[in-house]
Amino acid sequence: SQTIHQWPATLVQPVGSPLSLECTVEGTSNPNLYWYRQAAGRGLQLLFYSVGIGQISSEVPQNLSASRPQDRQFILSSKKLLLSDSGFYLCAWSPLAGGLPDTQYFGPGTRLTVL
Amino acid sequence: KNEVEQSPQNLTAQEGEFITINCSYSVGISALHWLQQHPGGGIVSLFMLSSGKKKHGRLIATINIQEKHSSLHITASHPRDSAVYICAAILDGSGSRLTFGEGTQLTVNP
Repeated sequence: SQTIHQWPATLVQPVGSPLSLECTVEGTSNPNLYWYRQAAGRGLQLLFYSVGIGQISSEVPQNLSASRPQDRQFILSSKKLLLSDSGFYLCAWSPLAGGLPDTQYFGPGTRLTVL
Repeated sequence: KNEVEQSPQNLTAQEGEFITINCSYSVGISALHWLQQHPGGGIVSLFMLSSGKKKHGRLIATINIQEKHSSLHITASHPRDSAVYICAAILDGSGSRLTFGEGTQLTVNP
């Protein structure tokens, strides 16, 4: 069966510090991968998605970046965190469905607080 | 204006009541998801549908493509159903990317 892991679960970082959040998927190959953010009191927002190794699409301009160094690994990074980067970060995967929509499976999330 | 809108924002019900959460969208979509988010933040996909109706236990999801509207129904609601319910659409031409509604906070009291 497929599982998705995220770490860390919670993180408190000072403004200006770097960030690295990791997401890994087990039990599937060539998944589509997604990073979402949920700011306090706001809805979910897609940040990045990837259809393959090294293929990253960014949805919103920001000081975050994403990388996919391996097929089932998706990393969210920042060189210098801002207060506005605080939020709940969710990684998700969906099967490679030949362009057809398919169910997305969400990780447990990372709660980031920037002070 | 958000392309995906939900109502109500907040809903309080007594245990056993029938609950309906609505989602409307303003552009063409290829599919629509209903998601459930519990207080800890974890999200579970309840349904993905592109037409008609789906049922799983006490949950029913319907979609009317012509009217650009979907509903999530919960029959015989229970306090453990308390969560945020989120509607998310795959807009035409967006691949598999989701556009989210703002969510509905459901509280079911015993």
